[in-house]
Amino acid sequence: AQSVAQPEDQVNVAEGNPLTVKCTYSVSGNPYLFWYVQYPNRGLQFLLKYITGDNLVKGSYGFEAEFNKSQTSFHLKKPSALVSDSALYFCAVRPMNTGFQKLVFGTGTRLLVSP
Amino acid sequence: GAVVSQHPSWVICKSGTSVKIECRSLDFQATTMFWYRQFPKQSLMLMATSNEGSKATYEQGVEKDKFLINHASLTLSTLTVTSAHPEDSSFYICSASLPGRANYSNQPQHFGDGTRLSIL
Repeated sequence: AQSVAQPEDQVNVAEGNPLTVKCTYSVSGNPYLFWYVQYPNRGLQFLLKYITGDNLVKGSYGFEAEFNKSQTSFHLKKPSALVSDSALYFCAVRPMNTGFQKLVFGTGTRLLVSP
Repeated sequence: GAVVSQHPSWVICKSGTSVKIECRSLDFQATTMFWYRQFPKQSLMLMATSNEGSKATYEQGVEKDKFLINHASLTLSTLTVTSAHPEDSSFYICSASLPGRANYSNQPQHFGDGTRLSIL
């Protein structure tokens, strides 16, 4: 079965420090991987995706993610966190054999950036 | 581009009433839209895949007669919660993908801002 794990419910980081939000996946075949951010009472905003090619993917708002096939991971990173980055982050995978465009989401990680 | 609008943002209604939520793709045509439900502090649960001009595909455990989906045009899908009860209170979110390659699977989904449904 396809699944996505976000092992941390919450990540705390001070403003200006680097941040990492972890994601691992379990799918058959090669997946398409996505990161989304959700602010309170809002829908999800797309941050970045990995489809193929360079393992380091750059996305919106200075975020990047590194695809590691051997570790089946797709951790989200940012060199210098901002207070405004505080939000709920979801990792998602789209297995290639789903037929439609279904996304399988992780449980989400709340990022708190302190001033 | 790729804006998805969802309306209304908030709904409060009495138990037993039906509530309709609209999801519109404003600047693109979406043959497929998705409806999710999100419980507090939890992830998104896919309820159904809405296909323009045909019946929606529901996920296991989702009642078709309870959650009616209509996708009558390439820019509009609606979710109607029929005879709503307090346990239907939740945050409902729709999404759509830009047309792309054959199965669109490499395109991100673009989400509406969600609808907070509260049944009294």
